[in-house]
Amino acid sequence: EIVLTQSPGTLSLSPGERATLSCRASQSVSSSYLAWYQQKPGQAPRLLIYGASSRATGIPDRFSGSGSGTDFTLTISRLEPEDFAVYYCQQYGSSLYSFGQGTKLEIK
Amino acid sequence: QVQLQESGPGLVKPSETLSLTCAVSAYSISSGYYWGWIRQPPGQGLEWIGIIYHSGNTYYNPSLKSRVTISVDTSKNQFSLKLSSVTAADTAVYYCARLGVGAYYFDHWGQGTLVTVSS
Repeated sequence: EIVLTQSPGTLSLSPGERATLSCRASQSVSSSYLAWYQQKPGQAPRLLIYGASSRATGIPDRFSGSGSGTDFTLTISRLEPEDFAVYYCQQYGSSLYSFGQGTKLEIK
Repeated sequence: QVQLQESGPGLVKPSETLSLTCAVSAYSISSGYYWGWIRQPPGQGLEWIGIIYHSGNTYYNPSLKSRVTISVDTSKNQFSLKLSSVTAADTAVYYCARLGVGAYYFDHWGQGTLVTVSS
């Protein structure tokens, strides 16, 4: 089973700043099989990025994903007030799925 | 735009079976895609439970496999989750979701339903 570890656990930033969230896998993950989600309180997760770097439908271009192998990054170029939420990475491999523990992005 | 809606009891007694249904609208399950269940204990992260194809093929999280059954009813355009022998550790918000092309990410989610395990 591939374990995903996200860092930091909490990130405190101000609107307008750049956010960099990390997701590290215990084994190599195909870039095609890495996704990112945003979850706000009381809501279901929302797909942001799939295939490590492809934005899902309707996702603003301030969100970008990158990485390969065991290290992946979600970058939010300029934070908007609505971006403060919890972010999860997720991988697929050998018919199994797993999520990271999440990074909480909070307003500083 | 495909929509998913979970339904089922919000309270289940320990040792009993949790049963949930996910109704799909604006898309026919028979047309393809995989469909899945994910859960989230209060204040915690996401845990994948399992997925099913319209043909009935299933894949389960090994940690839950002995207790989980996911089935599909194409005539009602819905799929279901059964989790047996529940304990308080199974208390969570349960989400149903559709997997995107290639079946490696979840692109549409239901709003989720809280199931509490308590006597």
